[in-house]
Amino acid sequence: DADVTQTPRNRITKTGKRIMLECSQTKGHDRMYWYRQDPGLGLRLIYYSFDVKDINKGEISDGYSVSRQAQAKFSLSLESAIPNQTALYFCATGGAGADTQYFGPGTRLTVL
Amino acid sequence: AQSVAQPEDQVNVAEGNPLTVKCTYSVSGNPYLFWYVQYPNRGLQFLLKYITGDNLVKGSYGFEAEFNKSQTSFHLKKPSALVSDSALYFCAVRPGGYQKVTFGTGTKLQVIP
Repeated sequence: DADVTQTPRNRITKTGKRIMLECSQTKGHDRMYWYRQDPGLGLRLIYYSFDVKDINKGEISDGYSVSRQAQAKFSLSLESAIPNQTALYFCATGGAGADTQYFGPGTRLTVL
Repeated sequence: AQSVAQPEDQVNVAEGNPLTVKCTYSVSGNPYLFWYVQYPNRGLQFLLKYITGDNLVKGSYGFEAEFNKSQTSFHLKKPSALVSDSALYFCAVRPGGYQKVTFGTGTKLQVIP
């Protein structure tokens, strides 16, 4: 089984809908991250969490919210989706003090 | 603020030839530097990292990278390219003591048979 899983893998939705993307990990890592990937822009950090009680905004958090339900689970919500949130979304994990991040397979989100 | 530049959107190289994917960075203090690879329809995979020590770092799949402090560069290299190396490569930097990593925009490597 994959260490970092994301659901759904693909989602098409309409403008104004609420969407939740879920991430689970079995690596036992404290730190979890949400990124979005857009062509030509690379990966940009949306939110990150260093433990269950710690949530921090990244560089592009507007329009997004997160919930760290447990050490192993970190979900990303779009309260009212808009077309420019169409992107590939990645969850990643990292252990305390560790430098390497481990990525999930991604969720391709299309907002019509 | 930290930043990473990957000046080439795409690099083409013939199979068997050496390859270089360029990366320069800007950060306060000593940097932690990373290379990741992304194959189609997959998440990013860690290739190698520089924390301290030898400037030449060896990683997975025969890749290596050279840290050059004076030129603030961390170029990815491989002596002999394989078609299977074709992928999207990301350079990333993290200042020592901080946890936020900044990624470059990515370089698409195309290895031509």
